[in-house]
Amino acid sequence: RKEVEQDPGPFNVPEGATVAFNCTYSNSASQSFFWYRQDCRKEPKLLMSVYSSGNEDGRFTAQLNRASQYISLLIRDSKLSDSATYLCVGKNTGGFKTIFGAGTRLFVKA
Amino acid sequence: NAGVTQTPKFQVLKTGQSMTLQCAQDMNHEYMSWYRQDPGMGLRLIHYSVGAGITDQGEVPNGYNVSRSTTEDFPLRLLSAAPSQTSVYFCASSFRESSYNSPLHFGNGTRLTVT
Repeated sequence: RKEVEQDPGPFNVPEGATVAFNCTYSNSASQSFFWYRQDCRKEPKLLMSVYSSGNEDGRFTAQLNRASQYISLLIRDSKLSDSATYLCVGKNTGGFKTIFGAGTRLFVKA
Repeated sequence: NAGVTQTPKFQVLKTGQSMTLQCAQDMNHEYMSWYRQDPGMGLRLIHYSVGAGITDQGEVPNGYNVSRSTTEDFPLRLLSAAPSQTSVYFCASSFRESSYNSPLHFGNGTRLTVT
């Protein structure tokens, strides 16, 4: 079983829709989590960190559920420019190990 | 701001050839790492370094060597290229990997094809 698992999608949604991605992690030692965005043939870029209390950045909301070991990303009012692959990332603090999920592909259509 | 700089952007090698992928960062980051990305596999850690003079193996180290003689530079060497090493390679750095909220910053990537 992969340490960080994501639904690969693709998710095809119309502009303006709300879409949610989930990610599960198997290592309970994972301490911090992030969502990265990767455009086609580009490098991953940090979208947002994920905190236990949940956090919001504009149209994006991230949640962490330690009891169930999953992380979620909610995108409201989807834009065409949100089309990308979203990578879920878990980090074992002190273990020098950052683990990436394989990514969830999102297509936003006009 | 340069951030993380990788060279070359593209490279084609023949089986058995060797080469070095260059990575440099100007953010005074302690931690540097190399990942490879293959379709459906996600990013896999090859080698990493927590500071000058210190390196360690990641998930898929075979066929690769690294060194960290300075804080800024972290080259990745392919000793004898094989078709299985055809991939996109990313160098990434962070201020301090052991820090709770220290995310990775990536270079633009190197697309390597081994024929």
